[in-house]
Order: sequence, then structure tokens, then C-alpha cells
Amino acid sequence: AQSVAQPEDQVNVAEGNPLTVKCTYSVSGNPYLFWYVQYPNRGLQFLLKYITGDNLVKGSYGFEAEFNKSQTSFHLKKPSALVSDSALYFCAVRESQGGKLIFGQGTELSVKP
Amino acid sequence: EAGVTQSPTHLIKTRGQQATLRCSPISGHTSVYWYQQALGLGLQFLLWYDEGEERNRGNFPPRFSGRQFPNYSSELNVNALELEDSALYLCASSSAGLAGGYGSYNEQFFGPGTRLTVL
Repeated sequence: AQSVAQPEDQVNVAEGNPLTVKCTYSVSGNPYLFWYVQYPNRGLQFLLKYITGDNLVKGSYGFEAEFNKSQTSFHLKKPSALVSDSALYFCAVRESQGGKLIFGQGTELSVKP
Repeated sequence: EAGVTQSPTHLIKTRGQQATLRCSPISGHTSVYWYQQALGLGLQFLLWYDEGEERNRGNFPPRFSGRQFPNYSSELNVNALELEDSALYLCASSSAGLAGGYGSYNEQFFGPGTRLTVL
């Protein structure tokens, strides 16, 4: 069965510092990985995806993610955090046959001024 | 380009009633997905529709059902509501469902959700 795990419920970062939100995955076959962000009382916004190719994927709002096959990880990164980045972040893997996204439990990112 | 829209924004029902939630996908998208985001349970997949057919369903009882219309909009129906059905219901759409193969990896775009409260 495919799954993703986000080992940290909360990440606290000072504004201007780099941020990392961790995600590990377990899949059979090639992983199709996604990051989404959710602001309070809102739906999910797509940030980026990894399908194949370059291990460093660039996405929206200055975010990027690094795919590491040997460590089965897909960590989300940003060089310089903004207060407005504070939100709930979800890592997801696309089920190969069933179409659905399987989500991690989410990581609450808090960026303080 | 308009995003995924959902209605109503909020819905309050009592136990045993039925709820109907609606979703309009992004123009050109043929696949619609429904997810439940309940407190403490995270995001769980409910249903996937493509080209008017139900393609997959998650681990939910049969009282959760839906359909997709010829214009690709979709409806989620929840019968015999229970207190634990209280949640944010999210609809998402993507392009090239079956047409892109079951392995299609197009991203899903989400609507703002319908907050269902069961009293």
C-alpha cells in the first residue's frame, strides 16, 4: 500500500530563515509526489509535483522540493521564509491506478517576525 | 480562468437528514474527486468521477454517494447523516482522467470546500 508520512506536526521558523517541511513516502513503482498548502478555512492550493526527471523541483511562491529516492523523501524547502507562509502543508502521493491522492497528516508551519 | 467552485459554503443539518453538496470543475477538466477533511482524521479520499462514471471510492459507507453530470459538474450526497460526518468536504478536479491513462499524474486543483455541520 502506498503512504506518505510527515514526521513533524509543527515547524517553527523565524522570518528570513530557510525552512524545511519533511515528507517520506512508501510506494510500489514510480512515485508521483505532490505538495499542497492550506490556509485557514480554505481549500488546498497546489505548490509543486515530482513525476520524473530533475530531483529538485521548483514550484509556486518560491517553494522547491528535493526528491531523494534512496531516502524515500520529498522535503519541501524555501530559502527565506515569510510570515505569510504560515499555513498547513500537506505532502501527497498519487495512487497509480485509483486516481486518488493519499495525504500525509499535515505539518503546521509557523513563521514568526 | 475560474477555479473549482463548491456550494454551499456552509451546511447545517441534523442527524438522520440528507445533505447534497455541489462542485463545478475547472473548465476542460473531466475528472472530479471528493475528499473529507474531518478533525483529527486528516484528508481522506471519498470518490472519483470521470466522464460521468464512478471510477473509484474510498473506505466510506454506501450512504456516501454521488454523481457526475454531462457538463462534468458533480454532486455528493450523504444520507442518514451522523454526527461524525461533520467535516470540510473538498472537491478537486483534474484534466485527462482515463484519457490520460490510469497513471495520469496531472495535479488536482481544489475548491474552497463545504463545511458540513451535523447537529
